[in-house]
Amino acid sequence: QKEVEQDPGPLSVPEGAIVSLNCTYSNSAFQYFMWYRQYSRKGPELLMYTYSSGNKEDGRFTAQVDKSSKYISLFIRDSQPSDSATYLCAMSAVTGQGAQKLVFGQGTRLTINP
Amino acid sequence: NAGVTQTPKFQVLKTGQSMTLQCAQDMNHNSMYWYRQDPGMGLRLIYYSASEGTTDKGEVPNGYNVSRLNKREFSLRLESAAPSQTSVYFCASSHSSYEQYFGPGTRLTVT
Repeated sequence: QKEVEQDPGPLSVPEGAIVSLNCTYSNSAFQYFMWYRQYSRKGPELLMYTYSSGNKEDGRFTAQVDKSSKYISLFIRDSQPSDSATYLCAMSAVTGQGAQKLVFGQGTRLTINP
Repeated sequence: NAGVTQTPKFQVLKTGQSMTLQCAQDMNHNSMYWYRQDPGMGLRLIYYSASEGTTDKGEVPNGYNVSRLNKREFSLRLESAAPSQTSVYFCASSHSSYEQYFGPGTRLTVT
C-alpha cells in the first residue's frame, strides 16, 4: 500500500464550478501537508501548505486536513481555465539527517472548460 | 535569480549508455533532491542530500548514483541506462523546510 493515495483523474469541469481534490495517507509521522500545482511541461510549485487539522484559505483555494481520518482535501472555488493543471498532494517527514522528505500522491490532472 | 536549473532539458540514450544529469541552485539552500516522474506514479524520490557532504537513498535509488559537488550543485548519474529509466527527472532544493523549489525537468528516453 502506498503511503499517500490520490485519485489520478483526469477531472474535467466547467468554468465556475467548485473542484474538490482529495488524498489519503497512512503515515502518522507526516508533519506538513501540501498541495503543489504543476503546469504542463513545468516543475511543480507549492500552492498551499498546512500542518494542523482544520481549514486554511487563500483566495479561491481552501486546504483541509483531517488528521484523525488521515485525509486531506483541496477545494477550488469559481474555477478558471488558468487553474487547469496537475495537482499533487505531498506530505513531509523529517529524516534522520534533518531534511524534509516529501512523499507525493500520484497527481490529479484537472481541466477547466470555458 | 535563476532558482533551480537543470541540464540537459532533453536526452535520448541507448540501453547501456551512461550520462550525468546536472542540477544547480542559487538560493543558498542546504537540501537538494532528485525525483523521477512517471505517468500515474507521481513524483518518487531517488536520492537526496540534506547538506553539503551528505547523500542518502530515497524510494527508488537502484540504477542511480549522486554527487553533492558543493552547496550549489547536485548531480545524478546513470551508469548503465535501461528502458525502465525513461522518465522525467526533477531536481529540487529547500532550506530545510517543507517548501521545495523544483527545476524545469529533464526528459530522458532510453531506447
